[in-house]
Amino acid sequence: DQQVKQNSPSLSVQEGRISILNCDYTNSMFDYFLWYKKYPAEGPTFLISISSIKDKNEDGRFTVFLNKSAKHLSLHIVPSQPGDSAVYFCAAKVGGSEKLVFGKGTKLTVNP
Amino acid sequence: DTGVSQNPRHKITKRGQNVTFRCDPISEHNRLYWYRQTLGQGPEFLTYFQNEAQLEKSRLLSDRFSAERPKGSFSTLEIQRTEQGDSAMYLCASSFGVANEKLFFGSGTQLSVL
Repeated sequence: DQQVKQNSPSLSVQEGRISILNCDYTNSMFDYFLWYKKYPAEGPTFLISISSIKDKNEDGRFTVFLNKSAKHLSLHIVPSQPGDSAVYFCAAKVGGSEKLVFGKGTKLTVNP
Repeated sequence: DTGVSQNPRHKITKRGQNVTFRCDPISEHNRLYWYRQTLGQGPEFLTYFQNEAQLEKSRLLSDRFSAERPKGSFSTLEIQRTEQGDSAMYLCASSFGVANEKLFFGSGTQLSVL
C-alpha cells in the first residue's frame, strides 16, 4: 500500500531550465510534507517542507506547491544546476506521529 | 564533524548470525529515528526515540529486531537470526524534537546477508 507515490523514476533536464518533480498521496490525514534529496553513499538531506494549511512554500531556487484537493504536490527547481543531480524523495506525515512515509524517489539529472 | 554518525558503514554477514549497528546522533538532539531502505524504494520508518524512551515502532520491526537508546544519547539496532530479506541500508536520523522539524540523516549502514 504505497501511500506516497512518485510515478516518475527519473527526470532529465538541461542546466538553467526548470525541474518539476511530482508526488501524489492517498492518505488524507497527512498534514505535513517534505522533500529530501539524496546523493550516492550519503543519507537523505532535507530540502524544503510545507504544511497542509499552505499551498506554496519557497526557499531560494526551490518551491513546493501543494494541491490538497488533488492530493498532489510538486517541487520546482529554477534554475536547475548540475549539482542538483540527485535522487529526490517526497515524504509525508500525519499530525501527532513522528513517522515519515516516503515515496520511491525520482532521480534527477541536470545536464550541463 | 558534528553530523549523525553510523557504524559500521558496511556489514556482511551470514544468514542466521546476529548483527548490531550503532548510531551517534547530533549531540543536542533528543529525538532519534531508525529507517530502512531497500534498492529502488524510499526509506521506511522502523522506530523512534524521545531521549531514552522508544515511543513509536513500525510493524516492520519484527521480534528479531530490537533498538535501544540506553542513556538518551547513542542508539543501537540489533537484528537477530538475520535473513536475506534483511539486506538493506539502515539509516539513522536525529532531530531536536520540535513538531514537524526536519530530520538529519546519517550515511547509513549497508547490510548484506549472504
